[in-house]
Order: sequence, then structure tokens, then C-alpha cells
Amino acid sequence: GAGVSQSPRYKVAKRGQDVALRCDPISGHVSLFWYQQALGQGPEFLTYFQNEAQLDKSGLPSDRFFAERPEGSVSTLKIQRTQQEDSAVYLCASISRQGNTGELFFGEGSRLTVL
Amino acid sequence: QKEVEQNSGPLSVPEGAIASLNCTYSDRGSQSFFWYRQYSGKSPELIMFIYSNGDKEDGRFTAQLNKASQYVSLLIRDSQPSDSATYLCAGGDSNYQLIWGAGTKLIIKP
Repeated sequence: GAGVSQSPRYKVAKRGQDVALRCDPISGHVSLFWYQQALGQGPEFLTYFQNEAQLDKSGLPSDRFFAERPEGSVSTLKIQRTQQEDSAVYLCASISRQGNTGELFFGEGSRLTVL
Repeated sequence: QKEVEQNSGPLSVPEGAIASLNCTYSDRGSQSFFWYRQYSGKSPELIMFIYSNGDKEDGRFTAQLNKASQYVSLLIRDSQPSDSATYLCAGGDSNYQLIWGAGTKLIIKP
């Protein structure tokens, strides 16, 4: 597609519910990142994929967070048993080159509100 | 802990003036620095990147990097109301991870 597409744009979940957030990166982009952005803060790294391989998941805040990219294109970030502190905007970004840093193309984000 | 620090602002600048945004970083291993602009409710978009000491100019924007003092700055000349946004500074080493600042909110007053 023309840009990075994320869905849903807005999600309201009751505490304890599971949620799944989808990212469709720019076609052909090898590297895909998930970030969490709290209000008034910069993005915080969650995890990184190169094609289908998850090379770094050190930023995932707990084992309730899980991400996958099984075919090296679309990625899903799943949050189990959501907590109020999970409320944030979840940003997906992709870049075309392997192992590069910066020059990220971001999606519009998925805003998660946990009640 | 690796950190990137920015003044949260808001920084208020009259239209047509120069806006100066600053950022300091703690990790001397960082080699690449980026300025992203983020409008309210929107995603970040790249404005400039800089890898070498000195200045880099692109239109109305100039990025400055001083690795000895560990600071990065962004100058916006002839500021326009459309420049009003939050500006995020990010830095990284040869790794793929970037460390992000919390952003400086810039307001350009007509």
C-alpha cells in the first residue's frame, strides 16, 4: 500500500480483555517496529521484526504482550488481560532496508483505552 | 540508562522568526540523530537526520550536531503557523533501536 496502515484506529477495552492490533507495512519493507506512546511522551520501543523473524522483543513490558509477523508482511500486536497502564497509542513503523535505524515510516497508530 | 532529553515547552515563537529546538543525549555511542515532527493526534514524520558533526541544511530547516557536547538542535527559519507541532528528537547507534525524547511543543504565533 501507499503507507503504513494500522487497525483499529481506536479501541476501548475493559480491564482483563484481550486485544489485537494490526499493522500492514509499506509493501516490500523488510523491517517493522512496534512502539508504545503514552500521552506527552516519545515513542517507546516494543519489538522489531526483520521479515518474519522477531529479532528483538526486549521492549515488551510484560509477558502479556505478544507480537508476530508470520509471513513477513502484516504484523499483529496482541495484549492479553489488558490493564489500565496499557492505555496508550501503539505505533507501527517500517523501513525498507535491513538493519537500518531511523527514517521510519509510521502508521497513524492504534489508540487503546483500557477502562 | 540511555536517555534523550528535551525541554517539553511549549516554545512560543512569532511567525517569521527562527525557532530553535534543542536535545541532549547521554549515550556517547549514538551515531545517528533524527528530528521528527508530530502533529496532535497524528503519527511522527521525519524532518531531518544528521550523522556528522556540524550543520545540515534542508530548506528552512537546519540540524546541528555536536558530539563532544552531546547535543543536537533543530533550527526552523521563517517559522510558519503550520510548523506548530511537537518535535521529537531521537538518537541511536549502529543498532536498530532509537532512544526518543519526550518532544518539545512548538507554537508559532501569527
